[in-house]
Amino acid sequence: AQRVTQPEKLLSVFKGAPVELKCNYSYSGSPELFWYVQYSRQRLQLLLRHISRESIKGFTADLNKGETSFHLKKPFAQEEDSAMYYCALKTSYDKVIFGPGTSLSVIP
Amino acid sequence: GAGVSQSPSNKVTEKGKDVELRCDPISGHTALYWYRQSLGQGLEFLIYFQGNSAPDKSGLPSDRFSAERTGGSVSTLTIQRTQQEDSAVYLCASSFGGAYNEQFFGPGTRLTVL
Repeated sequence: AQRVTQPEKLLSVFKGAPVELKCNYSYSGSPELFWYVQYSRQRLQLLLRHISRESIKGFTADLNKGETSFHLKKPFAQEEDSAMYYCALKTSYDKVIFGPGTSLSVIP
Repeated sequence: GAGVSQSPSNKVTEKGKDVELRCDPISGHTALYWYRQSLGQGLEFLIYFQGNSAPDKSGLPSDRFSAERTGGSVSTLTIQRTQQEDSAVYLCASSFGGAYNEQFFGPGTRLTVL
């Protein structure tokens, strides 16, 4: 079965602290993973994708096929990082499914 | 040109009525997706289109839900005999598909069933 899980619905961290948003997936094929972000009153938008191995706004994510995980990390959280974060899995034929999301709150 | 657009932005309807939600994707995008976003449920996959075909309709909650796409462009999501549990934000996204697939999302339609 194709599935994306994000165990934390809410995550609060202090400004300047490290942050890690967890994502696990279940997929028998070769996965393509993404992180999307939705800031308050804005549209959902792509943050980063594993295939590009990029760092966006200080965030990175590494695909670990052994643990079927794609956790999102940032060493020093900023107030502007407060948002809803969704992990997404692209399966065959371009179907994309999302996890339930994690609401990140960065405390000043 | 413009990004993905959806109409209406808000829809209030009475239980039992039919509603039609519209999505205008970015020109040239072959893939189009419908999701439902509700509190506590995250982003629920409904259906997606490649061109005018829907390879996967497995996310549609019931046979009251249907969707079509014409001319490889505009898509409509129809909900018949609406129920209160259908209340949610319905999001549409489009993409070029294939590798490096980035979805561009619309602003959503907030549906309220009274």
